[in-house]
Amino acid sequence: GESVGLHLPTLSVQEGDNSIINCAYSNSASDYFIWYKQESGKGPQFIIDIRSNMDKRQGQRVTVLLNKTVKHLSLQIAATQPGDSAVYFCAETDPTGTASKLTFGTGTRLQVTL
Amino acid sequence: EAQVTQNPRYLITVTGKKLTVTCSQNMNHEYMSWYRQDPGLGLRQIYYSMNVEVTDKGDVPEGYKVSRKEKRNFPLILESPSPNQTSLYFCASSLFRRSYNEQFFGPGTRLTVL
Repeated sequence: GESVGLHLPTLSVQEGDNSIINCAYSNSASDYFIWYKQESGKGPQFIIDIRSNMDKRQGQRVTVLLNKTVKHLSLQIAATQPGDSAVYFCAETDPTGTASKLTFGTGTRLQVTL
Repeated sequence: EAQVTQNPRYLITVTGKKLTVTCSQNMNHEYMSWYRQDPGLGLRQIYYSMNVEVTDKGDVPEGYKVSRKEKRNFPLILESPSPNQTSLYFCASSLFRRSYNEQFFGPGTRLTVL
């Protein structure tokens, strides 16, 4: 598969444990945030999003938390499974800039051990 | 099936030999974008298009051209490729909204310029 990052921060968790992946963003004007999952050899895949008027949003096994005060975003994965192994990116959109432009973080690799 | 397709998936070429990477989406999206992905740098936007005949530079446009003659297609053109353009390229599309856009990504094109 494709190598998307040779020196990415890596989070290693055991199957069944919960995972927390963190992201710091820099633009205080950003009002929309997305978490993407990228498996080896594939393009980024949407997981969950959150608007800046919320501080928490839940999906199936995933929760995103947004702390605008410290410009921090986190993705929580419950009961992590081997299929969750991937690189995870956060992305933000600044409504004052070009519409639809996403700015991506550098990513975190999640490794699920059996 | 709603999708973004890219061709070719893999390409090895030599410096200076013009090439085109095609991108097509079947979701009637207005917004399309090209990114490159390099180790440690995440995804960086090359060019984007907000609709037919409307294109603009992203963060790293040097050495690239694009065109948007039809809504579904957004080819990326490298007139004179150089080794520093060796990278993994992704095309993405979304509806055109000021914010709150989930971008759909293609599977990627691995380009090597010798």
